[in-house]
Amino acid sequence: SAVISQKPSRDICQRGTSLTIQCQVDSQVTMMFWYRQQPGQSLTLIATANQGSEATYESGFVIDKFPISRPNLTFSTLTVSNMSPEDSSIYLCSVEPLAAETQYFGPGTRLLVL
Amino acid sequence: QKEVEQNSGPLSVPEGAIASLNCTYSDRGSQSFFWYRQYSGKSPELIMSIYSNGDKEDGRFTAQLNKASQYVSLLIRDSQPSDSATYLCAPWARGKLIFGQGTELSVKP
Repeated sequence: SAVISQKPSRDICQRGTSLTIQCQVDSQVTMMFWYRQQPGQSLTLIATANQGSEATYESGFVIDKFPISRPNLTFSTLTVSNMSPEDSSIYLCSVEPLAAETQYFGPGTRLLVL
Repeated sequence: QKEVEQNSGPLSVPEGAIASLNCTYSDRGSQSFFWYRQYSGKSPELIMSIYSNGDKEDGRFTAQLNKASQYVSLLIRDSQPSDSATYLCAPWARGKLIFGQGTELSVKP
């Protein structure tokens, strides 16, 4: 498995502002994924971040709202832009280790938008 | 039709009983299947993977796969109150995990 950290662990933000969430893993990984989990719901994939290329976004998610960076094989950021209360959720980073077809999750970032 | 279907529960079992969690999936191209456990307020934790038809046992957990029926299950023997959590079924398809809605399990002492 991999040890994954996320910063911040939680935040309270005002509407209209932006928040950047960081995801750091202790080993090189192939893919990094960003999910959203709203209260009482399952996981919704936002985008897949592959090092050296543009992120691939799922239906309903756009780069202007959720810009993603993946500067190297151990780090990625997700920005939630121009936030509204509907963006209040848990944001989870997950990683796919090299030569492994599975994912491990970070501890998540709890976001509340007022 | 959802890509991955699970009974939402809650599934309530007494301590020491067998808990049976079921999952069906629609993508016949899926070859790898995973079960995650998520405690309230925590992130998902990988507990089982299965790739071939049949059973795979790991401690008190047994995963079962039937690709012809597009069916995956997770059995938890000798259920403990600490097993109370939401269990997420996730086939690997098209380069990513496809998550079900999860089944909430409650083990009563």
